[in-house]
Amino acid sequence: DQQVKQNSPSLSVQEGRISILNCDYTNSMFDYFLWYKKYPAEGPTFLISISSIKDKNEDGRFTVFLNKSAKHLSLHIVPSQPGDSAVYFCAAHRGSSGNTGKLIFGQGTTLQVKP
Amino acid sequence: EAQVTQNPRYLITVTGKKLTVTCSQNMNHEYMSWYRQDPGLGLRQIYYSMNVEVTDKGDVPEGYKVSRKEKRNFPLILESPSPNQTSLYFCASRREGTSVYFGPGTRLTVL
Repeated sequence: DQQVKQNSPSLSVQEGRISILNCDYTNSMFDYFLWYKKYPAEGPTFLISISSIKDKNEDGRFTVFLNKSAKHLSLHIVPSQPGDSAVYFCAAHRGSSGNTGKLIFGQGTTLQVKP
Repeated sequence: EAQVTQNPRYLITVTGKKLTVTCSQNMNHEYMSWYRQDPGLGLRQIYYSMNVEVTDKGDVPEGYKVSRKEKRNFPLILESPSPNQTSLYFCASRREGTSVYFGPGTRLTVL
């Protein structure tokens, strides 16, 4: 049962254009969503997050949008740069009671930004 | 430098030969976890620990053991590895209210 889904395994974008990575979830108890970026031979690194009480969070070139009614979030990268080429994981956090630090991850989307 | 370290980074072993992957963090984090990454499945939590001597199963705990005798260390133990445990493993840690920090990963191959 995949509670967090990234339906696009890969995405290719031209440098300078917008990259949009999508993520869907099924569990309405998720209260916090995060995006992680992963380069080959490295561990995932935190990129940006959003609380379920917000619908948008922006950090420089990265913006995350949350649509709770649709159980959908997206990551926008504008403008895209070749150094953004990596695997992007969407993750969700399940409640603060008995907080375990557990994240539920999507399958990942490989972004390629072409020069 | 704040970091999560794992050793070894790469390991090839044979079925049934016990192994331990070590994990250490220098950020005084309470929470530590182990994840495995497999193609098409993302990262799945194996075990987690909320503090010293407090551990519990994640989503895919079968075939694994952990211990948390010290706050900074959280080793992953495979008592009798099998080929289906061939994977990329990540240790992670966090403090309440912070994001999760991941180690660099351990690529394990079980023949």
